[in-house]
Amino acid sequence: DTEVTQTPKHLVMGMTNKKSLKCEQHMGHRAMYWYKQKAKKPPELMFVYSYEKLSINESVPSRFSPECPNSSLLNLHLHALQPEDSALYLCASSQDPDRGQVIKKQTQYFGPGTRLLVL
Amino acid sequence: AQSVTQLGSHVSVSEGALVLLRCNYSSSVPPYLFWYVQYPNQGLQLLLKYTTGATLVKGINGFEAEFKKSETSFHLTKPSAHMSDAAEYFCAVSEAGNMLTFGGGTRLMVKP
Repeated sequence: DTEVTQTPKHLVMGMTNKKSLKCEQHMGHRAMYWYKQKAKKPPELMFVYSYEKLSINESVPSRFSPECPNSSLLNLHLHALQPEDSALYLCASSQDPDRGQVIKKQTQYFGPGTRLLVL
Repeated sequence: AQSVTQLGSHVSVSEGALVLLRCNYSSSVPPYLFWYVQYPNQGLQLLLKYTTGATLVKGINGFEAEFKKSETSFHLTKPSAHMSDAAEYFCAVSEAGNMLTFGGGTRLMVKP
């Protein structure tokens, strides 16, 4: 089973709202990722969690706040977003990352995404 | 630094015709290469990947790709297109730290 689930599928929020996106995997993967994808563009990496710890933040604005409460769950908390933040938000996971060495064989498995519209 | 170039942002083929989607990469080390497909309003699905070993890789849905180091290419092919193949296709390369670098994507259109 290579399933990554994401909820909700669609989200509409105002610029003053607070909302959260949820991602879940039960493959025992220990690396999880958030990507942002604008229309007709490839995904852009936002955050990487490795063993539940934030390992990469691609200079993402603080109005996006990731959280990894356990090895199966990844959240993205949203606050005071701008209309330009409207996009498809994708979660992905991959097998155990090797903390000290380069691991290139790990395949990332993607969820179906949450389509976010900020009004 | 690694980069991926997908030649042709849009490719149109007739149903039953050969599909060829081009991907060239630049990498300072031997890369690992991936093709993902994205159907409308969906996430990315892995089609196939090259890590080591045989340079001709077979994937799902009848797709295959060949790693050619001398040409720094990893083109995706399918002998006979089906209407259900219409989607966005992304080539990606992985180097250090398991990070993926994506190409710009190619939208495949299949005409009846």
